[in-house]
Amino acid sequence: NAGVTQTPKFRILKIGQSMTLQCAQDMNHNYMYWYRQDPGMGLKLIYYSVGAGITDKGEVPNGYNVSRSTTEDFPLRLELAAPSQTSVYFCASSYKREGAYGYTFGSGTRLTVV
Amino acid sequence: GQNIDQPTEMTATEGAIVQINCTYQTSGFNGLFWYQQHAGEAPTFLSYNVLDGLEEKGRFSSFLSRSKGYSYLLLKELQMKDSASYLCAVRDANSGNTPLVFGKGTRLSVIA
Repeated sequence: NAGVTQTPKFRILKIGQSMTLQCAQDMNHNYMYWYRQDPGMGLKLIYYSVGAGITDKGEVPNGYNVSRSTTEDFPLRLELAAPSQTSVYFCASSYKREGAYGYTFGSGTRLTVV
Repeated sequence: GQNIDQPTEMTATEGAIVQINCTYQTSGFNGLFWYQQHAGEAPTFLSYNVLDGLEEKGRFSSFLSRSKGYSYLLLKELQMKDSASYLCAVRDANSGNTPLVFGKGTRLSVIA
């Protein structure tokens, strides 16, 4: 199994440009998440989804959008990139919300906005 | 609100034992996780505690006290490859489907 696959691994955007960060999992997990990680700041939740067609905001959703049309895919959209969105983005998935089901993380996308 | 605190940095010697503490304040509790994250890589799952007590897994152990809102990760027989950040994360039972809340992480440096 590939697990959680994120693309691209690196990207440089100019201010005002748009892009989509791709995330796909092949473990048939219902729950998927997008986090961003800034140096020394830990992981902050952007958006999450509990199943196809269902999404919800996390702690820092402004400037981002998501969709969940299939169980496998959970893309994150940046519409008007700003320098504050320079960060490392991690997608994760989990089998259940309860119990000892930890997250499986993708390898991350390192985004720089200049 | 939710608050998770852990030390920013720690240094320990190869072969020694180190304890990384985590305190949390959440409106509810439904499990605490520890993750390891090497520089430039994704976090990987280490341990899970939902009941009070110690969970042992090889060189790593994790302890939980729900009444004190406290957990620690114990690493024994430290190796150079244990140099990484260790993230404490809590699942808040009173927040519906709200996912895990992560602390800022503790950067552990293992020196010879």
